[in-house]
Amino acid sequence: EIVLTQSPGTLSLSPGERATLSCRASQGVSSSYLAWYQQKPGRAPRLLIYGASTRATGIPDRFSGSGSGTDFTLTISRLEPEDFAVYYCQHYINSPRGFTFGPGTKVDI
Amino acid sequence: QVQLQESGPGLVKPSQTLSLTCTVSGGSVSSSGYYWSWIRQHPGKGLEWIGDIYSSRSTYYNPSLKSVVTISLDTSKNQFSLRLSSVTAADTAMYYCARARRLVVVGAADTYYFDYWGQGTLVTVSS
Repeated sequence: EIVLTQSPGTLSLSPGERATLSCRASQGVSSSYLAWYQQKPGRAPRLLIYGASTRATGIPDRFSGSGSGTDFTLTISRLEPEDFAVYYCQHYINSPRGFTFGPGTKVDI
Repeated sequence: QVQLQESGPGLVKPSQTLSLTCTVSGGSVSSSGYYWSWIRQHPGKGLEWIGDIYSSRSTYYNPSLKSVVTISLDTSKNQFSLRLSSVTAADTAMYYCARARRLVVVGAADTYYFDYWGQGTLVTVSS
């Protein structure tokens, strides 16, 4: 079973600053199977990035994803007030079929 | 625009069966290329995939829940459902339905990601 670890647990930043969030897999995974989601309080998660680096429809270009193997990064180039939320990475495995999520990183002011 | 909406009891007694339904609009549960999924989130915690179903009615479950989960499809109503039996307080959570969209990967197995989510429904297990 692949375990995802996210760091830091909480990232305290100010609007306009750059946020760098890490997602580490317990073993190497294909970047095609790595996605990132944003969740605001009381809301469902929203897809940000799939295939490790492809932005989902409507996602601003200040969000970018990168990485390979065991280490993946979500970068928010300049934080906007609406970006303060919890971010989850997610891995898909096809055999046996399943999804795992990281524990999340909270980005707060 | 695809929309998903969960419905079902917000309170379930221990040892009983939790039953939720997800109604899909703006898309069809019979469409190829998508799985219809259930995901839950314990209070203040992260996300846990429960399982999903394809239009062929093939189902896949989280191994940790496999013995107590059933997911079914009703194409006539454009809905899919979750049944979780023998619930305990540990099953108290926000339950989300979501669509898993297929992405073709050249030279490798297809991948999936959750592109549409319902708003979620809180289920509390308590006597």
